[in-house]
Order: sequence, then C-alpha cells, then structure tokens
Amino acid sequence: ETAVFQTPNYHVTQVGNEVSFNCKQTLGHDTMYWYKQDSKKLLKIMFSYNNKQLIVNETVPRRFSPQSSDKAHLNLRIKSVEPEDSAVYLCASSLTGADTEVFFGKGTRLTVV
Amino acid sequence: GQQVQQSPTSLVLQEGENAELQCNFSTSLNSMQWFYQRPGGSLISVFYNPSGTKQSGRLTSTTVIKERRSSLHISSSQITDSGTYLCAMRGGSALGRLHFGAGTQLIVIP
Repeated sequence: ETAVFQTPNYHVTQVGNEVSFNCKQTLGHDTMYWYKQDSKKLLKIMFSYNNKQLIVNETVPRRFSPQSSDKAHLNLRIKSVEPEDSAVYLCASSLTGADTEVFFGKGTRLTVV
Repeated sequence: GQQVQQSPTSLVLQEGENAELQCNFSTSLNSMQWFYQRPGGSLISVFYNPSGTKQSGRLTSTTVIKERRSSLHISSSQITDSGTYLCAMRGGSALGRLHFGAGTQLIVIP
C-alpha cells in the first residue's frame, strides 16, 4: 500500500514532557510537510522538507523541531510540550512543484494535560 | 491577509438537495485541492483540480484560475456527505505549501 503513515494515532502527555511523532511516505515523493490543526479545525503549515533540506520554517516555537533521515521520513519532535500544543498534527507529502497533489496522513492527536 | 476564503461557513441541507461550496483566492494560484474531513477523522483528498472541471460521482469541482476561484458542487446530497469541506491552494514558488481555507461545515438531515 502506498500512502502517508503516521504514528502514533493518539498521545496524551504532561506539560514539560518531550514527545516525538513519526511519519513515513511510500509514494516516492521528495517533499514532506507537517501541519497543525487546532481546535477550530484551522490548518497551518509548520515545516516542509525537500530532499532532506528544510525549506520552509514558519514562526513556530523553537521547542518544535523536524527530523528527517531520508526523503521518505519526516519526524516531529516537541522538546517541552505546553497546553497550547494540544492539536492534531498532520504529515503530508508531494512531489516538488507547486502544481502537484499533496497527500496527507491520518494525523496524530496530541493532548497535553 | 487571509489568502483563501471559503463560503458558506456552514450549510444545512435536507437529503436530496444540492450544495454549492465556494473558494476564493487573494493571490495567484498554481494548483488547488478540495478535502473532506469528518469530526475526528482524517483529511481525505476529494479533488486535485488545478484548472477546469472534474467530476467524481455526485461531486463536481470547477476551478477558474484567472478569476482565482474554485467551487465544489454536491448533487443529491446524502447524510453521509456531512462533514467539513476544506479547499487549499498552492501558489508562488515551486516549493510552495498548501494554504487552507477555514472550511465549510455541511450538515445533511433526513
């Protein structure tokens, strides 16, 4: 099966803990993204990686960091979570180019207590 | 300012009625997609439609790049069509990411 796979599906943690989310795509794409969907369902880009190079880094808090071992994997680490980090984190991938389709994983729902 | 404007914000239909969802872009676009999402559910790509008209079953998407708009038409709505429909555009550089609208919440009642 070719798709974008995310783990875990859900994660509950306490304030101040470190968390890491995994994402793998088997579509042969060369660009991957992390999006955050808040409680109002608004989707905002956090990071995008192209051929292992960070090409877009929006104004996200420094406690967030993307980690990539190859073009098929893009993980997201949060050093010290805060309550406002509770959200759904969506991983996506595409081929390079602004006229290509973007495919999303099923998301990781993070709850910070 | 917001680059992607969706309308209406929410829509309630009786089963069998048609729906027209709109998406307008404030900047030039290279491509756009329509997504569907149920509460707590995944983001499912409904259409990848950079330009022109595409149809899939009861769904039809029309994108007019020059006018910076796209629409999603749902004919003979069913209860299972209920959920949030999001449009997203990609523009600018070749490494551009998707810019999402705030979504249209569709509720279909019997």
